[in-house]
Amino acid sequence: SAVISQKPSRDICQRGTSLTIQCQVDSQVTMMFWYRQQPGQSLTLIATANQGSEATYESGFVIDKFPISRPNLTFSTLTVSNMSPEDSSIYLCSVDTGDLYTEAFFGQGTRLTVV
Amino acid sequence: LAKTTQPISMDSYEGQEVNITCSHNNIATNDYITWYQQFPSQGPRFIIQGYKTKVTNEVASLFIPADRKSSTLSLPRVSLSDTAVYYCLVGDMPSGNTGKLIFGQGTTLQVKP
Repeated sequence: SAVISQKPSRDICQRGTSLTIQCQVDSQVTMMFWYRQQPGQSLTLIATANQGSEATYESGFVIDKFPISRPNLTFSTLTVSNMSPEDSSIYLCSVDTGDLYTEAFFGQGTRLTVV
Repeated sequence: LAKTTQPISMDSYEGQEVNITCSHNNIATNDYITWYQQFPSQGPRFIIQGYKTKVTNEVASLFIPADRKSSTLSLPRVSLSDTAVYYCLVGDMPSGNTGKLIFGQGTTLQVKP
């Protein structure tokens, strides 16, 4: 299994500013993922954070808005840039451990409110 | 990844068995079926995964018919703490893209006393 810690757990930010969310895993993992969960909605994959290379973004998400870092095999950050109220969501970090029957593990999420 | 369809919501009472069915008509040969549970203010948590027939663990059972176009998550004797959103996912889990999950709308289960 994997234990994932996200910081901050929640924040209230002014529009136009940026917030960086940290994700720390207690073991080395190959793949890390970032998801967004808008209020009352399901989870949507933002990007895959690759160690040693640029993140891979899903359709509708761009690097300028959601820059991602992956400096090593246990850590990643997601920045939400130039925020607007529409960015108010829960942002979740996820990892998989690469076992045969793989389950993904999620952090507790970062609840972001943009005012 | 195959698309899934689930009921949006379900109600149950404590002590009852709850069955949540998921449709995945376009499931591929290499796809596995996985269910996750999400409580408010928490990330999703893995419940169970299967490929065919029946899988059981300490939390739930997963029934998959021969054509694999649907699956049923069975929660025995639910309690109030089982109130959560349940997601059915289908994908080629063990072979890659293992964390690249496509979540459907999920089923909100409300357990009443």
